[in-house]
Amino acid sequence: AQTVTQSQPEMSVQEAETVTLSCTYDTSESDYYLFWYKQPPSRQMILVIRQEAYKQQNATENRFSVNFQKAAKSFSLKISDSQLGDAAMYFCALNTNAGKSTFGDGTTLTVKP
Amino acid sequence: GAVVSQHPSWVICKSGTSVKIECRSLDFQATTMFWYRQFPKQSLMLMATSNEGSKATYEQGVEKDKFLINHASLTLSTLTVTSAHPEDSSFYICSAEAEDGRGGYTFGSGTRLTVV
Repeated sequence: AQTVTQSQPEMSVQEAETVTLSCTYDTSESDYYLFWYKQPPSRQMILVIRQEAYKQQNATENRFSVNFQKAAKSFSLKISDSQLGDAAMYFCALNTNAGKSTFGDGTTLTVKP
Repeated sequence: GAVVSQHPSWVICKSGTSVKIECRSLDFQATTMFWYRQFPKQSLMLMATSNEGSKATYEQGVEKDKFLINHASLTLSTLTVTSAHPEDSSFYICSAEAEDGRGGYTFGSGTRLTVV
């Protein structure tokens, strides 16, 4: 069985500042993918960033970057220059080759103007 | 990019009736789609894996006869909530694997079901 743990139910950040959301996971698979999804109030799930486990280089997408520590099974998301539109619920997810996604419980991010 | 269309976006039905939710991949073929249920401010719970041309695979604890899944084509999967009851009220989301081979999944916009 695979698990994903997000230990921060809520986080807040000042606009233009940087915030890091934590995620740890557990799987016995050697080949897997990790994702961060954003779910705004509209509830549409939006892919923010993905990381292939076999890649050592941390993924980056504009203001979003991850710190992938494979040995520690840690996958944190850093949001730089936070914007009001970043306010949402963020889910960390793990996919193995079996195809099913396992999601963490989510972190609600508030951005203060 | 890959787009998944889900309809309806919201539906209200009377207790005891059935409701069908559609999930379509618009610009790609999806041999596998996934159906999730989400309660307010909670995570997504996988209900079943929908496979084109074969029976769906249900997660433990999900009633197969309550949540009927049909994946009759490479672009359409449907979830039918049969004999709906108020406790079935929830947000249902489908997803499909994009064809880029990088394990990415595209989600539909979700359906808010309210059973009265």
